[in-house]
Amino acid sequence: EVQLVESGGGLVHPGGSLRLSCAASGFAFSSYWMRWVRQAPGKGLEWVANIKQDGSDKYYVDSVKGRFTISRDNAQNSLYLQMNSLRVEDTAVYYCARDNQWASDMWGQGTMVTVSS
Amino acid sequence: QSALTQPASVSGSPGQSITISCTGTSSDVGGYNYVSWYQQHPGKAPKLMIYEVSNRPSGVSNRFSASKSGNTASLTISGLQAEDEADYYCSSYASSNTPWVFGGGTKLTVL
Repeated sequence: EVQLVESGGGLVHPGGSLRLSCAASGFAFSSYWMRWVRQAPGKGLEWVANIKQDGSDKYYVDSVKGRFTISRDNAQNSLYLQMNSLRVEDTAVYYCARDNQWASDMWGQGTMVTVSS
Repeated sequence: QSALTQPASVSGSPGQSITISCTGTSSDVGGYNYVSWYQQHPGKAPKLMIYEVSNRPSGVSNRFSASKSGNTASLTISGLQAEDEADYYCSSYASSNTPWVFGGGTKLTVL
C-alpha cells in the first residue's frame, strides 16, 4: 500500500526537543523530494521544510531556521524532522508529504506536537 | 498573515458552481505555473486537487477546474455536492526566503 505514516509527536515543554519520523511505503521514496507541513489548531497550512531526493538540498521556513533540521534515510524509506528549542507557537499537527510535479500529492495522517509548560 | 490571500468562506447550493480566488504577487502565483490546490475535510489530511495551475491528479473529479490570470489563481467547483464541503487551500512556489507558500484557506459550505 502506498502510504506515509508519521510518528514521534507528543507534549514537550518550551525549549525542549522532539524528533518526528515519517515512514514511507509502496513507492520509490528515494526518487522524490519530501516535505513537512504543519497546521496549528484551527489554523491554515504552513510549509515547514523540504529536502531533495539525496538530501543534498534543504529549505526551511524562516521561523524554524536554526532550530529544525530535516533529514532522510533512503535505505530506511524514512523522513525525519529534528525540532529543537521548541516554542509554544510550534504547536501543530505535523504532516509529511511527497512532492511530485511541484505539488504534494501524498500526505500522511499527521502527528500532533504540543509545546506547553 | 498568509502569503497568499483567499476569501475566508464561500457557499453555494447543491448543483451550483463556486469559484475560490487565490491572490499573490509576481514573486509567487504570477511568476510561476506551480500553483496547487488542496481539499481538507475536518480532522483529515489535505488532498491534492489541482497541480501546476490547472492539472487534475488521477481520481479527482472533473467538476474541479482551475486557472490563473496574472497574480490570481482560481479554483472552480461545478455541480456542487455535499461532499465538497471542506476547507480549500492554494499553494505556490515562490522566489523568496520561503520557497513554498500557502493561502489562508477557504471554508466551503454547501447549503
